[in-house]
Amino acid sequence: KAGVTQTPRYLIKTRGQQVTLSCSPISGHRSVSWYQQTPGQGLQFLFEYFSETQRNKGNFPGRFSGRQFSNSRSEMNVSTLELGDSALYLCASSPVGADTEAFFGQGTRLTVV
Amino acid sequence: GQNIDQPTEMTATEGAIVQINCTYQTSGFNGLFWYQQHAGEAPTFLSYNVLDGLEEKGRFSSFLSRSKGYSYLLLKELQMKDSASYLCAVKMDSNYQLIWGAGTKLIIKP
Repeated sequence: KAGVTQTPRYLIKTRGQQVTLSCSPISGHRSVSWYQQTPGQGLQFLFEYFSETQRNKGNFPGRFSGRQFSNSRSEMNVSTLELGDSALYLCASSPVGADTEAFFGQGTRLTVV
Repeated sequence: GQNIDQPTEMTATEGAIVQINCTYQTSGFNGLFWYQQHAGEAPTFLSYNVLDGLEEKGRFSSFLSRSKGYSYLLLKELQMKDSASYLCAVKMDSNYQLIWGAGTKLIIKP
């Protein structure tokens, strides 16, 4: 079955602009999580959506927002981009359950100039 | 707060054995994941430990001690393709959120 798909793969934006990233989870997976990954910082949790509701949220400013649609596809939006937002943004989907693994997409590499 | 510690970088020789440690202090615990991430690629699942003890999967084994807040990933018969970052993550029992370590970059030398 198809894996997690993220679009676009690469993006270059200017400071102050806003950006929307998309994630299509594996069919049947209702949980979608978003992470920011920068060198040396590991995966920083942004938020998790489950059945169109934000279930968990990390410690990121309000410029970072997301949503999930009825087909479980999710989008992440960053407004008023800053240079420090340059990172790899990863989306992971998982089925329902306590002991289930997360399946990651290839990520979107965002560069803010 | 939540804290997960892993060594930043390790170097090992092809054909040898390497152990990557992960210690955690978290307010909850459901289980511990290990993921492998090659440069420029997505993390991929290696193992999930819920109970204490060693779980073996081919060349890779993972160990967990819940009382000590400690886990390790053991890689045997190292191959060049094992050069990657290895991430450990704790799954919280309260909300199933994953808390990630910064990852260990493993460099394999011939």
